[in-house]
Amino acid sequence: GNSVTQMEGPVTLSEEAFLTINCTYTATGYPSLFWYVQYPGEGLQLLLKATKADDKGSNKGFEATYRKETTSFHLEKGSVQVSDSAVYFCALSDGGSYIPTFGRGTSLIVHP
Amino acid sequence: EAGVAQSPRYKIIEKRQSVAFWCNPISGHATLYWYQQILGQGPKLLIQFQNNGVVDDSQLPKDRFSAERLKGVDSTLKIQPAKLEDSAVYLCASGVGAGELFFGEGSRLTVL
Repeated sequence: GNSVTQMEGPVTLSEEAFLTINCTYTATGYPSLFWYVQYPGEGLQLLLKATKADDKGSNKGFEATYRKETTSFHLEKGSVQVSDSAVYFCALSDGGSYIPTFGRGTSLIVHP
Repeated sequence: EAGVAQSPRYKIIEKRQSVAFWCNPISGHATLYWYQQILGQGPKLLIQFQNNGVVDDSQLPKDRFSAERLKGVDSTLKIQPAKLEDSAVYLCASGVGAGELFFGEGSRLTVL
C-alpha cells in the first residue's frame, strides 16, 4: 500500500536558518505529492504540490522537488522566520483513488 | 469563498457516551473526507464520499462509527459508544480531485 515517511521532529532552528524536512514515499504508479502545513490552532492547508517527476512545487519561499529515482519530496526553505513555526505534513495521492495518504508530520520551531 | 465549516470545535464526553460531528464542505466540492488525527500522528482517513456515495470506508470502525452525507452536501460523523482511544481531532476536508484537499479547523474530542 501507499505510505509516507517523514523525519521526526521537532526541528528547532534560529531565524534565518536553512530548513530541510525529509520526506520519502512508497506508492504504486505515479502519485502526486503534497506538503501541507498546520499552524497552531488552525486546520491543515496546502503549502505546495508536484504532480510528476522532476516538478518543483513552491510557495511562500518553500520548495520541494519530486524525485522519482529516490522516491523523495524534501521540503526546503532558505531562510526561516518565526512565523513558519508549524507542523508540516508530507502527503501523496495516487492516480487511481485520489485518496490522500499523510505522513505523521514534522514540527518546526523557529526561535528569534 | 467560505471554507470548510466544522462543529463543534471541542467536545468532552465520558466513555460509552455518543457524540456527533458536523461538516459543511466548500460549495461545489463533490468529494468529502473525514480524517482522525491522534496527537503526534498524521491524519488517518476514516471515510471518503463522492457526492452522497461512499468511495472508501475501509478504515472506519463500523461497530461504533457511522457517517452520512445526505443530499451530497454536508456530512455527519457519529461515534457510539465512545472509547478512550477515540480521543483525537476529527478533520473534515473537501476537494475536487487529484488529492488537493481543503480542511476545516477540526473537532477535538476528549473521552474521559
